[in-house]
Amino acid sequence: AQSVSQHNHHVILSEAASLELGCNYSYGGTVNLFWYVQYPGQHLQLLLKYFSGDPLVKGIKGFEAEFIKSKFSFNLRKPSVQWSDTAEYFCAVKRNDYKLSFGAGTTVTVRA
Amino acid sequence: DGGITQSPKYLFRKEGQNVTLSCEQNLNHDAMYWYRQDPGQGLRLIYYSQIVNDFQKGDIAEGYSVSREKKESFPLTVTSAQKNPTAFYLCASSIQGGGDPMDEQFFGPGTRLTVL
Repeated sequence: AQSVSQHNHHVILSEAASLELGCNYSYGGTVNLFWYVQYPGQHLQLLLKYFSGDPLVKGIKGFEAEFIKSKFSFNLRKPSVQWSDTAEYFCAVKRNDYKLSFGAGTTVTVRA
Repeated sequence: DGGITQSPKYLFRKEGQNVTLSCEQNLNHDAMYWYRQDPGQGLRLIYYSQIVNDFQKGDIAEGYSVSREKKESFPLTVTSAQKNPTAFYLCASSIQGGGDPMDEQFFGPGTRLTVL
């Protein structure tokens, strides 16, 4: 079955540590890729997106993601996290039928 | 202040009762969506509507119904046929829906439904 996989369910790290969240998808053909973030008590909001061109995409709050087509991956990175990055992160893929499929989410806890 | 509102924030119902969740947007978006969020499963698409008076089933439509009589409103009814209705329900909207890969979805605050 076609799916979006996020490798880590819960990540705990200290402030200033580097963060990388894995995302793999199994859809063939052209896809559009997204990372959404849900901060505690807030709406789900877009962090960054990839449609075409440079596979390294920069988003808000210092996040970036790299699309590697050969690996069907779209991993999210941040070089130095802050306590305020504590949130749940969702990878999503826009399929050929233009519907969004979401991964299960990764909860990130940053310790001060 | 533009955005998507969902009401109520928390909803409790007895088993066997139908319940309707509200979603309103003032972004002038054509497309609206309903998702269900369960722990460890991410968001799953229930129904979506690309234009007024038209809607399509998503991946998990069984036990749910929707209507789209107005552009700004897309209520979701959780019927008694839904076997596991307790969940967090998210409504979203986008400018024009299918056909545009750059079309971004904006999400509401969600309604947490608990069926007792």
